[in-house]
Formats: sequence, structure tokens, C-alpha cells
Amino acid sequence: QSALTQPRSVSGSPGQSVTISCTGTSRDVGGYKYVSWYQQLPGKAPKLMIFDVTERPSGVPDRFSGSKSGNTASLTISGLQAEDEADYHCCSYAGNYIWVFGGGTKLTVL
Amino acid sequence: EVQLLESGGGLVQPGGSLRLSCAASGFTLKNYAMRWVRQAPGKGLEWVSTISVDGAGTYYADSVKGRFTISRDISKNSLYLQLNTLRAEDTALYYCAKTSGDSFDSWGQGTLVTVSS
Repeated sequence: QSALTQPRSVSGSPGQSVTISCTGTSRDVGGYKYVSWYQQLPGKAPKLMIFDVTERPSGVPDRFSGSKSGNTASLTISGLQAEDEADYHCCSYAGNYIWVFGGGTKLTVL
Repeated sequence: EVQLLESGGGLVQPGGSLRLSCAASGFTLKNYAMRWVRQAPGKGLEWVSTISVDGAGTYYADSVKGRFTISRDISKNSLYLQLNTLRAEDTALYYCAKTSGDSFDSWGQGTLVTVSS
């Protein structure tokens, strides 16, 4: 049950696009279409932003999009806004009723 | 509106026990699998445990297997996590989360567990 690998931090200016990667193995990210992404504002609980690799829950802006290639999933935020500054966590199903998270990425809006 | 309210955290000595509770409202617990996730101070999220929709299946991360027990009380619409033989590395904010498919679609605010002598 090894954690997925995310960059510790990324940054971008308002209006730009940023992409956060999430690398696993063929036993988790690469093996299932069950990658999700969570936004965690400072001092708050996580919020679901993307599920099943590419799907957005109702109410999540379409500036947020997800994708996957091989063992790496990605979250892209376009038209960056100050309110997007937060920690982002990826998660994947890993088989046998096990889920694994990444270490989290801190997004700074410059 | 879905709401999850955790309680039961606190300061406990190594080797001690705690029982965490999660009171659910806005939905019926028996219709969903539920999970516990924890976050150590300054760290990422870690899945801890899942209870299946029918309550018959329980699943644990290797780091807590044999020490933690997940359960639920349908009559109280509540989820529980019994923590035994606690270690310093169990210190974390513990969240309960409602499932939607294979994602975690609603989260409580968490309850803090501190294991220290």
C-alpha cells in the first residue's frame, strides 16, 4: 500500500493553467478507472473535485479537468483563480478493497 | 443536505484505546459504504478503513489491521471506529467520509487523535 507520488508544490499566475501529476503503478492508477481528486482549503475538510478519472461532480467548475495516461493521472486547472489556492490530493483504487492517496500538492497562486 | 459530524478524539497514551463516532444526517447510512480517512499533522491523506453497503464487509489499511475496527449502527445512523493499541504514528485528524462509487463525496470536519505520553 505505497502512497501515490505527487509534486510537493506547484504554482501559477491568475489566468494561467497548471497541471498536477499523480504517479502510481499498474496495480493502482494504471489498473483502474477509479482515480479521484480532492481540494483541501487551509483548515478545511477535503472536497471531491474529480472522480472516475475525468468526471466532475455537480457544482465543480469546468476549469477543473482530469486525465490519465498509463500509471500517471493528472489534474489540470485552467483560468487559475486566487480561490484555487489549496492542497490537492489524488486517490486511486488499488484492488482488494484498498484505496491509496498521494502525498498532496500545495498549489500557490502567484 | 449531507452532514457528517465526528467526535470522540482526544489525547491518549501509547497502547491506549479510543472510540470515534460519526453522526450522519441528510442521508441513510445503510444505503452507502462508508470510510475513515486520516491526516497526520502536515501530511497527506491516508485511507484507513471501509465498511460495505450491507455492513458485512470491513476492510483496513495494513497500518491499522488488527488494531482498528469499523462498525455502524443503522438505528442511530452512525459510523464508528474503535482504535486499540494506539501508537504515536496514529496521531492524526480522523475524517469519516460517505462514498459515491469509488470516490469519497462528502466529508466531516474531522476529530483529532493525539497519542502521546
